[in-house]
Amino acid sequence: DSGVTQTPKHLITATGQRVTLRCSPRSGDLSVYWYQQSLDQGLQFLIQYYNGEERAKGNILERFSAQQFPDLHSELNLSSLELGDSALYFCASTLGDHPLNTEAFFGQGTRLTVV
Amino acid sequence: SQQGEEDPQALSIQEGENATMNCSYKTSINNLQWYRQNSGRGLVHLILIRSNEREKHSGRLRVTLDTSKKSSSLLITASRAADTASYFCATSNYGQNFVFGPGTRLSVLP
Repeated sequence: DSGVTQTPKHLITATGQRVTLRCSPRSGDLSVYWYQQSLDQGLQFLIQYYNGEERAKGNILERFSAQQFPDLHSELNLSSLELGDSALYFCASTLGDHPLNTEAFFGQGTRLTVV
Repeated sequence: SQQGEEDPQALSIQEGENATMNCSYKTSINNLQWYRQNSGRGLVHLILIRSNEREKHSGRLRVTLDTSKKSSSLLITASRAADTASYFCATSNYGQNFVFGPGTRLSVLP
C-alpha cells in the first residue's frame, strides 16, 4: 500500500460528459502529480500541484483541469469527454515540490472508460 | 524532451534467468529512477540512482548509469514469476518533471 488513495477505481461514462477524479496523497506529502496512461501514449504527465498551488504543467488538455485543496487532496476534472480520453489516470505524491531526489508514491489509478 | 526510452519493448525469460532492460535518455539528468507496474496497477518505485553514481544495488536488482552514453540498465537476477510486470525508467532534472519511457514488458515463465 503506497498510502495514496484514488477514487473511484472504475468509471464508465458517455461522450460529452464531465467527471471528477479524486486523489488523497500520502500523509505528509505536499505534492500531487497527475498522469494519464493509455495504450498508445504511454504514461503522460498532466499536472503537478504543490501545497495548493499549480507547480508544473504537462500535456494537459484545455478540457481538463485540476486543483489541490487545503487538506492537500486533489481533484482532476475532465469535461466534454471523448472516446480518446479512455485511459488509466494515476495520481502520485512526493514530500517536496520536485521529484528530484525522492521516490514518488503512486495510487492504484482510476480506469476511465468513455463510451 | 528528456524522455527515457526502454529497450527491449518486451522480454520473455524463464524463471531463474537474469533479465536486463535498458533505458536511454536525451538530455542531462539529475537522477534516474526505475519503477515497476503490475498489470493495470499503480507504479512502484524500485530504485533511484543519482547522476554522480555509476551503480546501485537493491536485493536482486542492479542498476547502472552511464551519463556519457545517456543510458541506464536494470538487471534483475534469478527472476521469479512474480517479477512479471512492466518496467519504466523515469528521469528528472531541475525545471523538469518526471518523464517516463514507454516501458519494457517482462514475462517470466515458470
